[in-house]
Order: sequence, then structure tokens, then C-alpha cells
Amino acid sequence: SAVISQKPSRDICQRGTSLTIQCQVDSQVTMMFWYRQQPGQSLTLIATANQGSEATYESGFVIDKFPISRPNLTFSTLTVSNMSPEDSSIYLCSVSGTEVISGNTIYFGEGSWLTVV
Amino acid sequence: DAKTTQPPSMDCAEGRAANLPCNHSTISGNEYVYWYRQIHSQGPQYIIHGLKNNETNEMASLIITEDRKSSTLILPHATLRDTAVYYCIVRVLAAGNKLTFGGGTRVLVKP
Repeated sequence: SAVISQKPSRDICQRGTSLTIQCQVDSQVTMMFWYRQQPGQSLTLIATANQGSEATYESGFVIDKFPISRPNLTFSTLTVSNMSPEDSSIYLCSVSGTEVISGNTIYFGEGSWLTVV
Repeated sequence: DAKTTQPPSMDCAEGRAANLPCNHSTISGNEYVYWYRQIHSQGPQYIIHGLKNNETNEMASLIITEDRKSSTLILPHATLRDTAVYYCIVRVLAAGNKLTFGGGTRVLVKP
């Protein structure tokens, strides 16, 4: 299957600052998604990262808070802006539609653990 | 909105088969049943998916009822490493269609 790498894997951030999470895939993918998982909760989709255009955000998530870039078919970034303790979560990159995986199954990276203090 | 219902937790004995139920009574004709699991501190891991026929791979078997309103994921010989949260999700099979996660079943495999 495709290898999905996220950086950083873990970070502790000061409130009011911003952090950019990177997602790199070892093959071209059709779709890239960003999820959030708050402590003890299930996964919630933040947005679909669209190559060459603005991301498509889910209800409750806005571009000013979670700007997303996707400059090509193998890379995307998610920025968590003006962080507060409520943003402490695992942020997960996921992909589908790869050259090496058939059936449009969605695969996940290992996640980026953010703690805001 | 999640379209599946799963028990919040279950225990199973190491070495025995683990049968994880999922109800999806409002599933549409073009929606597949997907199973993922999330071991603590890791990203979700794809297990298996199916439309109406039973499916088997190296990880598990998926049994879907004839009316497709429910399914069962079977881990044939549970090990301690199978302890995880298991998510049952219905999804149209297309690249742009996302996964919507419910609460899942927290499975604890006991020695």
C-alpha cells in the first residue's frame, strides 16, 4: 500500500501560535483528506484537500482556522491557526485513489499529536 | 452522519474468534461496508470491505446479511495485538467519497 508520512508526529504548542502539519505520500493520489480526533472521541473530517484549488471544508470548520494547501498529487499541509487548548487533538491525513491501491479504499497516516498549552 | 450502529465495547478471549456486529439498516444499494480499526496512538488501519458477498482476506472475514442491513466482522483467532477500536462504515465506492466515523466498538482481547 502507499506510504503516508506526517510531520510532525508530535508537538507541544503555545496557545495563540500556529502550526503546519505536512502529509507526504510516496505515490500520486487522487484524493487527500484531513481528519481531527479529539481526546477520547472518534474521527471527524475537517476538509478535503483539492489539488490546485481551495479545500472543501465540512460544517464547523473554516479556512481561516484550518488553512489547507495541496500543491501537487503527493503532498498536502494543514495549518492549525491561533491555537487554543481545545485544538489539542490528533490530526490525521488520509488518501484514496492511488496507483498502487485499487478500489478507492482510503488509507491513513499515523497522525500528528498536538498538545496546546 | 454515521449510518451504522455498533456495540460500544466487547471482550474476547485470546485465540478465539471475535465476532463484531454492525447494523446499517438504511444502507443504499451502492454503498459498501468498510471496516477499519484503530490501535491506540495509531492512525486507522483498513481491514476489509464488501458490497453484498462475503469477503475474506489475511486479516479478517466479512459476513453481510442477504438484506444487507447488517454485517459481522470476524477475526478468526484473536490475539492481544487485535485490541483496538473497530469502526464499521458505509460508503459509496468512489474516490471523492469520504469516510464518516461513528463511535466504533472497543475490543479488548484478554489472555
